[in-house]
Amino acid sequence: NAGVTQTPKFRVLKTGQSMTLLCAQDMNHEYMYWYRQDPGMGLRLIHYSVGEGTTAKGEVPDGYNVSRLKKQNFLLGLESAAPSQTSVYFCASSYPAGRGGTDTQYFGPGTRLTVL
Amino acid sequence: DQQVKQNSPSLSVQEGRISILNCDYTNSMFDYFLWYKKYPAEGPTFLISISSIKDKNEDGRFTVFLNKSAKHLSLHIVPSQPGDSAVYFCAASETGGADGLTFGKGTHLIIQP
Repeated sequence: NAGVTQTPKFRVLKTGQSMTLLCAQDMNHEYMYWYRQDPGMGLRLIHYSVGEGTTAKGEVPDGYNVSRLKKQNFLLGLESAAPSQTSVYFCASSYPAGRGGTDTQYFGPGTRLTVL
Repeated sequence: DQQVKQNSPSLSVQEGRISILNCDYTNSMFDYFLWYKKYPAEGPTFLISISSIKDKNEDGRFTVFLNKSAKHLSLHIVPSQPGDSAVYFCAASETGGADGLTFGKGTHLIIQP
């Protein structure tokens, strides 16, 4: 049981390049989330998904797109990377309290992205 | 405007003593609160949570207290151990948690020998 995994762990991009971050969970969780963390800040929600095929915007969605084609995977895409997207990205998943879970989110190890 | 505030960026406590980390919130719709612990270069690890129908929850050395009228919660760690040195994040959500957690900026706890 690996929990939540993220690939890659590190990446350096040039301004304007694109990339996709992959999050996978093996806990059969319904909900998945993408957060970013900047120095001296808490985590901020980018996008989230409450089920396969559904996505929604969080607090800071601009410049990102997401897809949830399979229940266990949640992809975060940067179409044209900017230096302001230099950050550490965390994926999380949870099983909703309304369906017998606890709303507690479990996090992956993070992806450190630098945009030059 | 920050809805979850951790006003102490850092806290230094002697090993064996009690560590008290504080958190304030402004959104009265929050009804589920969590504490996460984070080591450098790792993801946040869930520590303990509390629902708004309770005012206290214990798990071993960790106790979370919730004062709804003051919109304040605190995490007590006793006794503090060197491995407790980490950044602690307070987080909150509304019922269902579907739209994510709102995090504070974190408190860096340093346990001194």
